[in-house]
Amino acid sequence: SQWGEENLQALSIQEGEDVTMNCSYKTYTTVVHWYRQDSGRGPALIILIRSNEREKRSGRLRATLDTSSQSSSLSITAAQCEDTAVYFCATDLMGYKLTFGTGTSLLVDP
Amino acid sequence: GGIITQTPKFLIGQEGQKLTLKCQQNFNHDTMYWYRQDSGKGLRLIYYSITENDLQKGDLSEGYDASREKKSSFSLTVTSAQKNEMAVFLCASSPRLGGYAEQFFGPGTRLTVL
Repeated sequence: SQWGEENLQALSIQEGEDVTMNCSYKTYTTVVHWYRQDSGRGPALIILIRSNEREKRSGRLRATLDTSSQSSSLSITAAQCEDTAVYFCATDLMGYKLTFGTGTSLLVDP
Repeated sequence: GGIITQTPKFLIGQEGQKLTLKCQQNFNHDTMYWYRQDSGKGLRLIYYSITENDLQKGDLSEGYDASREKKSSFSLTVTSAQKNEMAVFLCASSPRLGGYAEQFFGPGTRLTVL
C-alpha cells in the first residue's frame, strides 16, 4: 500500500519481468489516477480508471480498481529500463481535489 | 499541447525569509494547484485556485500565501522559511476542478533553507 503517512516503497526488478504496485484508499472515490514521476520532473498521468470500471489498459500498463476493498493496482508487463520512475496513485476523496499516495519507486535493471 | 513553467528551478533561502515561487501555464486551464513534495513522501496540497483571483486552502496552507492575479499564473509565497527545510514545490493545472480532470505538472522548484 502507498497510502497515508507511510514512506515511499521501493521495488527493484530485472528488465522483462512483470510488476504490480498496489494502492489502498480510505473512503469512497469516483476515480483513481495513476501518475508517473521521472527524476527531476513533475508527475504525469498514465492511467485514469473510473469507479464503474474494473480494469483499464494502456499499452503494457494495466490498472484495476476494486471499490469493495477500496484498492487499486497498476501492473507493468515486461518492464523496461525506461519504466524506472516513481508511481503514485491519487483519488478524489473530496470529489473535487486529488489526494496522492506516498508512491512506489520502481527500478528496472538491464 | 501546453507547458507549465516554474521559476526559479532552485531556491535557497535563509531562516525567516519570505520567499516567492512562480508558475505559468499556457494550457488556458481554469484550475491551478500548488503541492509540496517532501523526500520519500507523497504530494500534499497547499493551495488551489479555480479561476483568476480565486484562492482555496489545501491541507497544508499554514505558513503559505498564494496569489492568482491572472488566469495563466499562480504564485506561492513561503511567509517565513523554516531552518533546514527542504522540499520540492510542484505547480499543476487542470481544465476544471474535479476528480476526472487530469492534472498537468510543472518540473518543480527545489527549496533549501539554510
